[in-house]
Amino acid sequence: EVKLVESGGGLVKPGGSLRLSCAASGFTFNNAWMSWARQAPGKGLEWVGRIKSKTDGGTTDYAAPVKGRLTISRDDSKNTLYLQMNSLKTEDTAVYYCTTDLRHWGQGTLVTVSS
Amino acid sequence: QAVVTQEPSLTVSPGGTVTLTCGSSTGAVTSSHYPYWFQQKPGQAPRTLIYDTSIKHSWIPARFSGSLLGGKAALTLSGAQPEDEAEYYCLLSYSGARVFGGGTKLTVL
Repeated sequence: EVKLVESGGGLVKPGGSLRLSCAASGFTFNNAWMSWARQAPGKGLEWVGRIKSKTDGGTTDYAAPVKGRLTISRDDSKNTLYLQMNSLKTEDTAVYYCTTDLRHWGQGTLVTVSS
Repeated sequence: QAVVTQEPSLTVSPGGTVTLTCGSSTGAVTSSHYPYWFQQKPGQAPRTLIYDTSIKHSWIPARFSGSLLGGKAALTLSGAQPEDEAEYYCLLSYSGARVFGGGTKLTVL
């Protein structure tokens, strides 16, 4: 069974940083392309970005609103996906979901950016 | 960035059939957009119904199906059940970037 467990969410001030983690199990993590998506309170889903498997180059793609501020990385030895969030803005407030490239979803972790 | 459009809301009678659509501001939706469909109920994480236009996970009920219809991606629900009342989102791929539609609130009434 695919299992994705996000952690690291919380309250952070505008301009601050936060790192989210996603512990994966139940599938061959190092072969998987992984993505992050988010959902602001009461709003729709927004794609954040994706990282390919290392065998497919390990490259990343990002949505325009987060490019240059949010960075996706992976540690295949730990079966863990990361989202490094810098220069956070109030509009980054959302539940952040880890996905196996949008086919399986975690339960999400809430990030609140507020002074 | 492309804009992906969905009907804001639809209503279907129990046992009835409804088709949700997903359009692109860049033109006709094709299989090269690798359309996805997701279902989200209040307070829950999304779950993936359809990917790559028409492929389903084994645990998704047979009443859900995906296709391309009239230049759009389509999700058809045949024999709607009360538990199908939810928000439905589509997603399209554009050369590495992905864009969600705004969602369709489906009411079963």
